[in-house]
Amino acid sequence: EAQVTQNPRYLITVTGKKLTVTCSQNMNHEYMSWYRQDPGLGLRQIYYSMNVEVTDKGDVPEGYKVSRKEKRNFPLILESPSPNQTSLYFCASSLSAPRVEQYFGPGTRLTVT
Amino acid sequence: GENVEQHPSTLSVQEGDSAVIKCTYSDSASNYFPWYKQELGKRPQLIIDIRSNVGEKKDQRIAVTLNKTAKHFSLHITETQPEDSAVYFCAASIRYGAGSYQLTFGKGTKLSVIP
Repeated sequence: EAQVTQNPRYLITVTGKKLTVTCSQNMNHEYMSWYRQDPGLGLRQIYYSMNVEVTDKGDVPEGYKVSRKEKRNFPLILESPSPNQTSLYFCASSLSAPRVEQYFGPGTRLTVT
Repeated sequence: GENVEQHPSTLSVQEGDSAVIKCTYSDSASNYFPWYKQELGKRPQLIIDIRSNVGEKKDQRIAVTLNKTAKHFSLHITETQPEDSAVYFCAASIRYGAGSYQLTFGKGTKLSVIP
């Protein structure tokens, strides 16, 4: 089944404790991205990747890191999480540039205390 | 960067009526405009999209119109049904040189269809 998976789905952590949210797709998509969703703010792009080893900042990259060592995986890293990073995070992928359908993962609900 | 404004933020309609959601974008270089529907507790899913070389596109009860001169595009849902209740997001895709693309979303419209 073609899909985008994220892990974990729910995470509660403390300020400053490094964490990684994994994202994987099995559709051989080139374009992958991370979004955060906050009430009243919609979906804001954090980072995106056009292909392996190519990543670019989105609209809200501060406090996040990403890597794209393999085509299928695009992990999101929070080196030192803070409470303002409490949010719902979505990974998405598409066959090429985002001018085609984006397939979203199920979301990761992160709480930083 | 690109800025996408979406209105209204909430919309209530009677079942069977039409619903219209409007978005404006700031950068004339944007060339792809998708609409996503997000049901409560679920992931966003594409419902329709339009490219800058097209003025209108329809898919059953859903249509999207694009006015490049005014830099705005709209989603039209006719004969609304309770299952249309969801949050709808518009978006605009822009190319930033050397094949780098970014997708910017509006803040969303919560549509409620009253039976």
